Amino acid sequence: GENVEQHPSTLSVQEGDSAVIKCTYSDSASNYFPWYKQELGKRPQLIIDIRSNVGEKKDQRIAVTLNKTAKHFSLHITETQPEDSAVYFCAASRGNQGGKLIFGQGTELSVKP
Amino acid sequence: SAVISQKPSRDICQRGTSLTIQCQVDSQVTMMFWYRQQPGQSLTLIATANQGSEATYESGFVIDKFPISRPNLTFSTLTVSNMSPEDSSIYLCSVERGRGGGELFFGEGSRLTVL
Repeated sequence: GENVEQHPSTLSVQEGDSAVIKCTYSDSASNYFPWYKQELGKRPQLIIDIRSNVGEKKDQRIAVTLNKTAKHFSLHITETQPEDSAVYFCAASRGNQGGKLIFGQGTELSVKP
Repeated sequence: SAVISQKPSRDICQRGTSLTIQCQVDSQVTMMFWYRQQPGQSLTLIATANQGSEATYESGFVIDKFPISRPNLTFSTLTVSNMSPEDSSIYLCSVERGRGGGELFFGEGSRLTVL
């Protein structure tokens, strides 16, 4: 079945450094790739997304890249801050069904001041 | 973004009992999605609640265990039936913004602990 693999499972960086989280997906029909941030005890919050007709998207300190041929996409956070500490989930749509997402296993990011 | 209200926010339940989770959205939506997040784990889609038709369930989830209602375009319920400790999870209601293929927004979740 469809699958999304996410790496690393944990990531620790110093404040001001960059963080990169990578995901691969298996469903060739997936066309929507969101990233969610989940702080402890809170709901997942959408932070950025990308569609299959775009290779890169940036929003201030965060960016996402997509390689459809290789079926992988990545989240890049620059100039990390302690408040970036959270669990990050990548996801891929099941085909073009945006509400039906397959999530990666999550990456626990820790930004040390 | 949509305002999604869920209740209860948390509950402690006894083995063998059932609990119904309610989800209210502040605008009409065609589909509502129920996800489960087991402790320390990722999110998994349980089913899609369609107004006016039966819910569609994902592999590994069945209607007898997770019956869903969708009486109108702003409300849905998910029941977790005959609970066991393995059902201890956060159950999240979600909706899309836009006409499909859009951003998915989650409610605050209902954290169930089954003893």
